[in-house]
Amino acid sequence: EAQVTQNPRYLITVTGKKLTVTCSQNMNHEYMSWYRQDPGLGLRQIYYSMNVEVTDKGDVPEGYKVSRKEKRNFPLILESPSPNQTSLYFCASSLSYRANTEAFFGQGTRLTVV
Amino acid sequence: EDQVTQSPEALRLQEGESSSLNCSYTVSGLRGLFWYRQDPGKGPEFLFTLYSAGEEKEKERLKATLTKKESFLHITAPKPEDSATYLCAVQPSGTYKYIFGTGTRLKVLA
Repeated sequence: EAQVTQNPRYLITVTGKKLTVTCSQNMNHEYMSWYRQDPGLGLRQIYYSMNVEVTDKGDVPEGYKVSRKEKRNFPLILESPSPNQTSLYFCASSLSYRANTEAFFGQGTRLTVV
Repeated sequence: EDQVTQSPEALRLQEGESSSLNCSYTVSGLRGLFWYRQDPGKGPEFLFTLYSAGEEKEKERLKATLTKKESFLHITAPKPEDSATYLCAVQPSGTYKYIFGTGTRLKVLA
C-alpha cells in the first residue's frame, strides 16, 4: 500500500530535550516536506526537499532541522524544543518537484512541549 | 507577499443544499493550485490540481474552477459524508514551496 508513515503519532517532551520525528514514504517520490498545523494559522511549510541531499526552507524553518540522506526518509529534528513548537506536524511526499503532482500526507504527529 | 485566503471559515449546509467555497490568492505567478480535504485527526487528502485560468475539474459532487485571482470549489447536492475541512494551496512560480490557506470547515446536516 502506498503510504507516508510518521512516527511517533503522539509525543510529549520537555523544553530543550532534542527529538526527532521520522517520516518514510514507499512510493519512490522525489519531493518531501514537513508542515505544522496550528488553529487559525492553517498548514505552514517548515522545510522541503526536492531530492536526496537537496533541502530548502519553507515559511517557518526557525528551530527545526532536516536531512535527506535517503530518498525514502525525511526526518524532522528539533534540537532544543520550546513550547511554541507545540503543534500538529505532517510529513508529505509527491512524485517530483518538476510536476505539480498531488501530495500524499502522513497521519500526523501531535507534539506537546512542556 | 504571497498569500492564500479562504472563505468562509465555516459553512453549514442542509443535505442537498449546493454551495461554493472560495480560495483567493496573491502570488507573482502560479505554478499550480491544489484542493485538499481533511477529516478530523487525519492528514489532508488530495482532490484537484488546477494550472491555468479557465480550467475546471470535477469529481463526484465536487467541481473546482480557477480564475487569475481565485478558485472556487462547488459542492452540488452535498451529503453528510462531505463534511470535512477543505484546504486550498498554491505553488508560486519560481519556487518549489507550497502556501496553504486556513481552510473552510464544512458541515452537512442530514
